[in-house]
Amino acid sequence: GENVEQHPSTLSVQEGDSAVIKCTYSDSASNYFPWYKQELGKRPQLIIDIRSNVGEKKDQRIAVTLNKTAKHFSLHITETQPEDSAVYFCAASKAGGATNKLIFGTGTLLAVQP
Amino acid sequence: ETGVTQSPTHLIKTRGQQVTLRCSSQSGHNTVSWYQQALGQGPQFIFQYYREEENGRGNFPPRFSGLQFPNYSSELNVNALELDDSALYLCASSWGENTIYFGEGSWLTVV
Repeated sequence: GENVEQHPSTLSVQEGDSAVIKCTYSDSASNYFPWYKQELGKRPQLIIDIRSNVGEKKDQRIAVTLNKTAKHFSLHITETQPEDSAVYFCAASKAGGATNKLIFGTGTLLAVQP
Repeated sequence: ETGVTQSPTHLIKTRGQQVTLRCSSQSGHNTVSWYQQALGQGPQFIFQYYREEENGRGNFPPRFSGLQFPNYSSELNVNALELDDSALYLCASSWGENTIYFGEGSWLTVV
């Protein structure tokens, strides 16, 4: 079945360091890969997304890379700040298909130590 | 703000009761999906509605049902509540292949 694996489950970095979170998806027909940041008690917030027709996308300190052959995609956060501390979820979907449903990873708890 | 609004924000129900959660999608979004997020887990897809028809369902029993109205707002109904139904219920709206936006969610506690 459809599955998204996410690693690591927890990540602790020093302020200013980089953080990398990796996901692997199983359905080769997936073509849309968003990343969500979820703070305690709040809804998931979209921070960046990538579609299968590109290999990399950047938005200030955040970047996402996609390797369709290996079915891997990764989130890169540079110059981390304490406010980046949250749970991050990757997801995959088949946008434009009959059902545009998101399959989520299990989440990564990122702690940025000041 | 995503333009997706949900109500109620918090509620407590007793096992065996029924609950209705409501969602207003972002203006122009004709597709609404519902997700269940248990504590410490990622959101799980419940079902999706497109133009008032269910067009996809996750691995949830029939006591989870829904509706979509002509204005694209939606309801999630859960019958015969169980303790494991305690979770954050998220509504998401979208249009075509465009970005999916989540509402603030409804926190359901079943006691």
